Amino acid sequence: ILNVEQSPQSLHVQEGDSTNFTCSFPSSNFYALHWYRWETAKSPEALFVMTLNGDEKKKGRISATLNTKEGYSYLYIKGSQPEDSATYLCASTNQFYFGTGTSLTVIP
Amino acid sequence: DSGVTQTPKHLITATGQRVTLRCSPRSGDLSVYWYQQSLDQGLQFLIQYYNGEERAKGNILERFSAQQFPDLHSELNLSSLELGDSALYFCASSRGQLVSGYEQYFGPGTRLTVT
Repeated sequence: ILNVEQSPQSLHVQEGDSTNFTCSFPSSNFYALHWYRWETAKSPEALFVMTLNGDEKKKGRISATLNTKEGYSYLYIKGSQPEDSATYLCASTNQFYFGTGTSLTVIP
Repeated sequence: DSGVTQTPKHLITATGQRVTLRCSPRSGDLSVYWYQQSLDQGLQFLIQYYNGEERAKGNILERFSAQQFPDLHSELNLSSLELGDSALYFCASSRGQLVSGYEQYFGPGTRLTVT
């Protein structure tokens, strides 16, 4: 993987459903992986910074895991709410690459 | 409110002109980053300054330049503007280096329209 890739590109879930998305990044020369939440008409907001293989971070209903050996991170949202609707971006600081994001829509 | 301020919020100018975008980082943050978001494109890293010195450079055009001043505010200068330079320009700041695990805080952005 040369750049940061995120999947799926977009996701529609029902309120209350749990969901997850993937960020794949170059595993060589890894330093840190950042997750951001980006609401429409606002600026990206930092969610997590992850540096160590096996890292797990949690903030409320949102959590993330990191596998630096295989170059991926998962973001999980438990019991999705309409206010979780946003684009979720990940970024690798190796070369300041941002993924194109996963657009999440939570349907009430 | 992230604590990062950017001015102006909107800017409309003509091709060939030069503009300056300004960013004030959060209090205590030493690093400033500039990003460009063009239509249908993701965030593209332009340049990073740390405590007044350039630290990293992305796909920044030669027509663009930046600097960070002793009071840590930063300016991004865009010259000989082309239609394709129309974009949302974000500034972000962090206490230390992102590679060391510091979080990055984004400003509200400056919307540049080149006509």
